[in-house]
Amino acid sequence: KQEVTQIPAALSVPEGENLVLNCSFTDSAIYNLQWFRQDPGKGLTSLLLIQSSQREQTSGRLNASLDKSSGRSTLYIAASQPGDSATYLCAVRQFRGGSEKLVFGKGTKLTVNP
Amino acid sequence: DTGVSQDPRHKITKRGQNVTFRCDPISEHNRLYWYRQTLGQGPEFLTYFQNEAQLEKSRLLSDRFSAERPKGSFSTLEIQRTEQGDSAMYLCASSLVDFGDRANTEAFFGQGTRLTVV
Repeated sequence: KQEVTQIPAALSVPEGENLVLNCSFTDSAIYNLQWFRQDPGKGLTSLLLIQSSQREQTSGRLNASLDKSSGRSTLYIAASQPGDSATYLCAVRQFRGGSEKLVFGKGTKLTVNP
Repeated sequence: DTGVSQDPRHKITKRGQNVTFRCDPISEHNRLYWYRQTLGQGPEFLTYFQNEAQLEKSRLLSDRFSAERPKGSFSTLEIQRTEQGDSAMYLCASSLVDFGDRANTEAFFGQGTRLTVV
């Protein structure tokens, strides 16, 4: 059974700091990995998608890496801003046993202090 | 708005009542997912459709839960005889799956329906 773990569960940083969020997964039989942002009481916004054959993807101040063999992904946020405060979720799209569902971690709650 | 749309955004119901939620996916997306999320947890998979066919259901989806996607467009999720433990955010997502390029399949989520059972 695929399990996704995100560390840390919560992170508080001062504005301007660079930071790294971690995601690990137990089964490497995945099509891709997606990072999402979730604001309180809202739905999920897709930030980045990394295909299983890719090593990293970048969008603005965000950079996500993927090491499928070790079951790890990181989300790097450069020059953090208060508006980055949210919960960040990673999810893998598995293909084990014919199932293609997304399996999520519990998220990292990020607070960026002005 | 061309994103995933969910209705209603909020629902308060008494225990034992039936509720139905609707999800309108992004136009022409062939895959539709339902997830449930409780406070402090990541979304948990409930079920997904490929066009109108329901391909997988989680064990979380008890016999009180039913989902449909008639004609492969919008979907409904019904909960019968609601219980307090059903209180959660219900999220819908859609994807356009290219079977020759599955790794490039991206999921897009709606704003969710917040259910409170009192």
